[in-house]
Amino acid sequence: DAGVTQSPTHLIKTRGQQVTLRCSPKSGHDTVSWYQQALGQGPQFIFQYYEEEERQRGNFPDRFSGHQFPNYSSELNVNALWLGDSALYLCASTREGSLSYNEQFFGPGTRLTVL
Amino acid sequence: GNSVTQMEGPVTLSEEAFLTINCTYTATGYPSLFWYVQYPGEGLQLLLKATKADDKGSNKGFEATYRKETTSFHLEKGSVQVSDSAVYFCALSKTSYDKVIFGPGTSLSVIP
Repeated sequence: DAGVTQSPTHLIKTRGQQVTLRCSPKSGHDTVSWYQQALGQGPQFIFQYYEEEERQRGNFPDRFSGHQFPNYSSELNVNALWLGDSALYLCASTREGSLSYNEQFFGPGTRLTVL
Repeated sequence: GNSVTQMEGPVTLSEEAFLTINCTYTATGYPSLFWYVQYPGEGLQLLLKATKADDKGSNKGFEATYRKETTSFHLEKGSVQVSDSAVYFCALSKTSYDKVIFGPGTSLSVIP
């Protein structure tokens, strides 16, 4: 079992550009959440996808959008990048109705640097 | 709103010392509580969890007890090792699929 995988590992963009990050959930998982972790801080919830729809959203602007595919993988898109978007972006997956109460499995993250 | 507060770091301990990292939370109802660990250059790993008051979560020698009366979930370990050096996050979640709310993290360094 490969666990949660994310790509790319690192990414460098310039202000105003757009970026797409990808996540494959752990085998058997159907729910994907995205978090932003700024340097020295705890992760902040961006949004969650289930059955290809956004189910919950944190306090992030519309520049942050996502998608979930039929195979449960997910993308995070960020438009009009600015310096403050530089962070580690974490993907987490879980299975609806799992006996492991809300045990979300996290991927290694994508380190985004905006110059 | 719901939030988590934890002691500021960094914390530096000698090997075999006793560890306590304090965590308190604010939430309505009865959230589940978690400790996650992040080793250098890696993602988050669930260390332990407790889903109701007075539950004790434990794993790899770490323990934490869900104290509703003090809204606390302090992490303890009797004898730390160099390999325990990492950042520790206290967190909560209200339902089985709800977002996880994290504290700011406490960096632990264990020196030989």
